[in-house]
Amino acid sequence: DGGITQSPKYLFRKEGQNVTLSCEQNLNHDAMYWYRQDPGQGLRLIYYSQIVNDFQKGDIAEGYSVSREKKESFPLTVTSAQKNPTAFYLCASRSKERGAREQYFGPGTRLTVT
Amino acid sequence: QKEVEQNSGPLSVPEGAIASLNCTYSDRGSQSFFWYRQYSGKSPELIMFIYSNGDKEDGRFTAQLNKASQYVSLLIRDSQPSDSATYLCAVNKAAGNKLTFGGGTRVLVKP
Repeated sequence: DGGITQSPKYLFRKEGQNVTLSCEQNLNHDAMYWYRQDPGQGLRLIYYSQIVNDFQKGDIAEGYSVSREKKESFPLTVTSAQKNPTAFYLCASRSKERGAREQYFGPGTRLTVT
Repeated sequence: QKEVEQNSGPLSVPEGAIASLNCTYSDRGSQSFFWYRQYSGKSPELIMFIYSNGDKEDGRFTAQLNKASQYVSLLIRDSQPSDSATYLCAVNKAAGNKLTFGGGTRVLVKP
């Protein structure tokens, strides 16, 4: 089955610890994205990557880091510098081909930091 | 002014009626437009996309795009309780390969 997988579904961490969220896609999409969603709020873009070994900051990149070593994978690290890390994290991917520009989301990881 | 604006709702609709959702955007050069449905606690699911002016129908859903007036709408015909969700409008602006999302409209379909 083609799709986007995120793991784990739920993640609990103590304050001060870094944590890495996994995102893998087998859709052969070039572009990948990380969003954060807080309760009752819209989506905010953290980082995105349009090609392997390259990525750009989104609107709320502070306290986060990413890597894009493979086309299929775009892990997000939530560092201890992120002031309010508890949120629902969504990974998405998208083709860059004309006529196939739809963006799809993974199932999400719900991170709780106490 | 937000780049993509939606009424937050809730939009209450009787079962079987038409739900009409609107979205306005500020970048006149925006190229492509998407509607996502998000159930509580779940990730957004793409339900419609539209690239050209006019209407696009898919089952009970119709997306309408008017680039001159800078709005895109979603109609849900024969609304069902299972349509109760938050609907997110997303726009791909002229430059770049990223979507800008509205805050979403919550829809409640009452039996």
